[in-house]
Amino acid sequence: GESVGLHLPTLSVQEGDNSIINCAYSNSASDYFIWYKQESGKGPQFIIDIRSNMDKRQGQRVTVLLNKTVKHLSLQIAATQPGDSAVYFCAENMVWSSYKLIFGSGTRLLVRP
Amino acid sequence: DTEVTQTPKHLVMGMTNKKSLKCEQHMGHRAMYWYKQKAKKPPELMFVYSYEKLSINESVPSRFSPECPNSSLLNLHLHALQPEDSALYLCASSQQTSGRTDTQYFGPGTRLTVL
Repeated sequence: GESVGLHLPTLSVQEGDNSIINCAYSNSASDYFIWYKQESGKGPQFIIDIRSNMDKRQGQRVTVLLNKTVKHLSLQIAATQPGDSAVYFCAENMVWSSYKLIFGSGTRLLVRP
Repeated sequence: DTEVTQTPKHLVMGMTNKKSLKCEQHMGHRAMYWYKQKAKKPPELMFVYSYEKLSINESVPSRFSPECPNSSLLNLHLHALQPEDSALYLCASSQQTSGRTDTQYFGPGTRLTVL
């Protein structure tokens, strides 16, 4: 999602429901995508990644979907738990710049008990 | 083990002070990074070291001076900072696999306040 000023877009879900966090990436030349979770006062924590030769990848309770046609990335979290509450960042990397990650603006996930 | 450690956790300094941030990883990664993160914003890349050599400097002011003493350590020397430099400073590391992008693993960060 897009943020304006200092306000992060927020997704509020009920505990136990599935969450879907969306991200529009900027460059069709990007070949690597990654999702990070950042809890308050902590560094970004790797969740899952996907390369451009795939359109879906699954981890434990998480799935990343990549739609290169519309330059869209999503993170699905199954059976969302209170510990999932955090800010989630997507990031992309362009094939000609293997070091530089371009981060999205972030989405805050709030899990209601 | 995907741990990157950073010290100190918090740092308060005056504009005339000199201080250093430290980062360490023992994953055998050969690329190390410094990022700056302001509140409610994504991390912004500052520097990249590859095989202990400075590879990228994102036009960072000279009051920030990185150093990579060996393949496991990364320092960020701070001098004559401004209050607007207050932020969370993150270190990250990744492998150096030829021909592909590797996952960057972040440390917990140093919360810097410049008075």
